[in-house]
Amino acid sequence: DAGVIQSPRHEVTEMGQEVTLRCKPISGHNSLFWYRQTMMRGLELLIYFNNNVPIDDSGMPEDRFSAKMPNASFSTLKIQPSEPRDSAVYFCASSLQEGTDTQYFGPGTRLTVL
Amino acid sequence: QKEVEQNSGPLSVPEGAIASLNCTYSDRVSQSFFWYRQYSGKSPELIMSIYSNGDKEDGRFTAQLNKASQYVSLLIRDSQPSDSATYLCAVLSGSARQLTFGSGTQLTVLP
Repeated sequence: DAGVIQSPRHEVTEMGQEVTLRCKPISGHNSLFWYRQTMMRGLELLIYFNNNVPIDDSGMPEDRFSAKMPNASFSTLKIQPSEPRDSAVYFCASSLQEGTDTQYFGPGTRLTVL
Repeated sequence: QKEVEQNSGPLSVPEGAIASLNCTYSDRVSQSFFWYRQYSGKSPELIMSIYSNGDKEDGRFTAQLNKASQYVSLLIRDSQPSDSATYLCAVLSGSARQLTFGSGTQLTVLP
């Protein structure tokens, strides 16, 4: 079975450019999570969806960040405009349902903003 | 105060020894507790979950939970060099429906 799929795996862009990260959760999973990981701040939850509906976006750092989940098999995280401090590894994870179920992480997207 | 705290590490143990990783949490109504392992450059993967007080064993791994002390630990017996990774403690709090992760403890098992 395919796990969580993320694209691109690496992204290098210049400050001010728009960046779109993509995620395909495991088929049948109802919850999807976007995380950001940096050395300084560790693994932080940005936003999560349940049944395609955003439930908690309190971790989204600012209005430059937005996330959508138009259907059960696809989600995007967009940064516009990007800044050097956005450089991090962005993980998408999915679980069968919110709560106690195991979260399965994708391979991550390493973003570098110059 | 961070919601989930782990011993800062890095932690080095010789091959065959017991590695002990510790985690404390601040939300008294937390319900579920998880240990994830993350190899360098890879994504986190779940290795243990525990929901009630006491010990839970899975192979060489034992998770221990003490809700009164708000403490959860992971013991790795007969440590192997392949266990060298960062171990993340994650807590599902009572009020929120998402995980809060600790900053991780880097473990190195020396051959």
